[in-house]
Amino acid sequence: EVQLVETGGGLIQPGGSLRLSCAASGFTVSNIYMAWVRQAPGKGLECVSVLYTGETTHYADSVKGRFTISRDSSKNTLYLQMNSLRAEDTAVYYCARDLSGIWYFDLWGRGTLVTVSS
Amino acid sequence: EIVLTQSPATLSLSPGERATFSCRASQSVSNYLAWYQQKPGQAPRLLIYEASNRATGIPARFRGSGSGTDFTLTISSLEPEDFAVYYCQQRRKWVTFGGGTKVEIK
Repeated sequence: EVQLVETGGGLIQPGGSLRLSCAASGFTVSNIYMAWVRQAPGKGLECVSVLYTGETTHYADSVKGRFTISRDSSKNTLYLQMNSLRAEDTAVYYCARDLSGIWYFDLWGRGTLVTVSS
Repeated sequence: EIVLTQSPATLSLSPGERATFSCRASQSVSNYLAWYQQKPGQAPRLLIYEASNRATGIPARFRGSGSGTDFTLTISSLEPEDFAVYYCQQRRKWVTFGGGTKVEIK
């Protein structure tokens, strides 16, 4: 079955760090665009990071310098390392696939909730 | 940043009715626009890409149109499973999403 499964969310204090994982099955994460998209409670969607082929990355201004996207092809898994977390980072984080390479997301995981609070 | 404004925020309709809602971009995005459907507790699902192309498995009752700054998603006859929130997304410059339109049962 083709799917994405995110893990690693939870409650974290402001200033803390967390690493999210996204395990893919039914396809390989290498050589395709992958992204993390978040949704704050009751709010819309925000693309926070994209990992292109060749390991080129792009980040939203709101997370630049704090978040790092990466992948491990041997584990077929995408990661998001989140440092210096702020209350405004509280959201459900979705992993998403861009199979066409033109920044449309055709497959999404169910998401993992990150809550930043003291 | 390209801002996408969706309207209306909420649309109250009955099954079988036609739904039409809008996405307006703060600057031209050509036809680089997609539509997603999201149901409560679920991830978004890609419906339409490049303004008017249906994604794999999307029924023909979903139709996207528009170019430049003004786009429309039309659902010709609402099925019970179509009541959800719909988001537009542009890829002209980075990736941004609209605020969503909720289609609720009247």
